[in-house]
Amino acid sequence: GAVVSQHPSRVICKSGTSVKIECRSLDFQATTMFWYRQFPKQSLMLMATSNEGSKATYEQGVEKDKFLINHASLTLSTLTVTSAHPEDSSFYICSARYTGVFYNEQFFGPGTRLTVL
Amino acid sequence: GNSVTQMEGPVTLSEEAFLTINCTYTATGYPSLFWYVQYPGEGLQLLLKATKADDKGSNKGFEATYRKETTSFHLEKGSVQVSDSAVYFCALSSGSARQLTFGSGTQLTVLP
Repeated sequence: GAVVSQHPSRVICKSGTSVKIECRSLDFQATTMFWYRQFPKQSLMLMATSNEGSKATYEQGVEKDKFLINHASLTLSTLTVTSAHPEDSSFYICSARYTGVFYNEQFFGPGTRLTVL
Repeated sequence: GNSVTQMEGPVTLSEEAFLTINCTYTATGYPSLFWYVQYPGEGLQLLLKATKADDKGSNKGFEATYRKETTSFHLEKGSVQVSDSAVYFCALSSGSARQLTFGSGTQLTVLP
């Protein structure tokens, strides 16, 4: 099946620093990737839709200047949390949409646990 | 807007017990419905899906039927195993962007 990887799996940083999270589709090309945030014992909240070669579309309430998304190739999207603060600590999950037979199927990465001290 | 409400957990069952996790939804148009499973330390995996009313999705012994009249997509399994222990998410997608809207997730623990 289609595989999506994320790197790093865990990151701990100091308040005020920036953190970059990578999302890669390993065996298929993805023109669209999604970034989600998951709080403990809560559901996944869509943050933004990342489109290859164009600007990301952010959900209401998500600061685009704080959560920078770049989708420079068909297999890689990055999420940069700028000037991170403790309230940004969360589990970040990406997914990539496979536009083949199963047009609307998304494949998910394993997630990145961000802890901001 | 779209929303998904699913049964709160955690749910603890003995092996071979019957499982039901309730899921209801609110959506505009004609959504597709999904169940995803998240095993410890892993990403979400698609468990099953249904794209239109009265469709039944099934996989690995799990089943769910798309009920438009009750706006429901309850997950069932006749005999659970310890290996089924995971978090289960109900979700829908609709509209041209086909974005997913998730329920809150239900933690299932199956005891031997």
